[in-house]
Amino acid sequence: AQSVSQHNHHVILSEAASLELGCNYSYGGTVNLFWYVQYPGQHLQLLLKYFSGDPLVKGIKGFEAEFIKSKFSFNLRKPSVQWSDTAEYFCAVLIQGAQKLVFGQGTRLTINP
Amino acid sequence: KAGVTQTPRYLIKTRGQQVTLSCSPISGHRSVSWYQQTPGQGLQFLFEYFSETQRNKGNFPGRFSGRQFSNSRSEMNVSTLELGDSALYLCASSLDYNTGELFFGEGSRLTVL
Repeated sequence: AQSVSQHNHHVILSEAASLELGCNYSYGGTVNLFWYVQYPGQHLQLLLKYFSGDPLVKGIKGFEAEFIKSKFSFNLRKPSVQWSDTAEYFCAVLIQGAQKLVFGQGTRLTINP
Repeated sequence: KAGVTQTPRYLIKTRGQQVTLSCSPISGHRSVSWYQQTPGQGLQFLFEYFSETQRNKGNFPGRFSGRQFSNSRSEMNVSTLELGDSALYLCASSLDYNTGELFFGEGSRLTVL
């Protein structure tokens, strides 16, 4: 079955630390890739997306993600995190033709000031 | 521009009852999708509607149903509630679901006692 795996359930970092959240998917066809973020008390919102072209995509608030096709991965990165990045992050894969956006389990990120 | 509105925000039901949740999409968005969010499971796809037609549904029992009206507003219904149905139910609207760019509401939190 198609699935999206996020390796870390809860990540705790200090401010200014570098961040990398892992995401792997199990589907060999054409996919589009996304990271969504849910800040405390807010609705889920799109952070960045990859459709085609440059595998390194940049999103809002200094986040970026790299698509590595051979590894079926789409990891999220940020060089220096801030306390305001505390949130839950969801990786999602749109399976073309299946009309379905599949989400991972989510990674809760806590940034200590 | 108003966002996605979900009602009610919170509700408590007992086992065996049924519940109806409502979603008003962003004006102009004709696609509405529903997700169930639970801790550890992430977001599980329920179904997606476009112009009053269900285009896809996830792996949920028949107790979960939905519909979309001509004004794009959508409702989902869960009958014969079980304890395991306790979750946050998220509605998302989009101009085109196949872009993966969804706009989420704040959700309806259902507690089944």
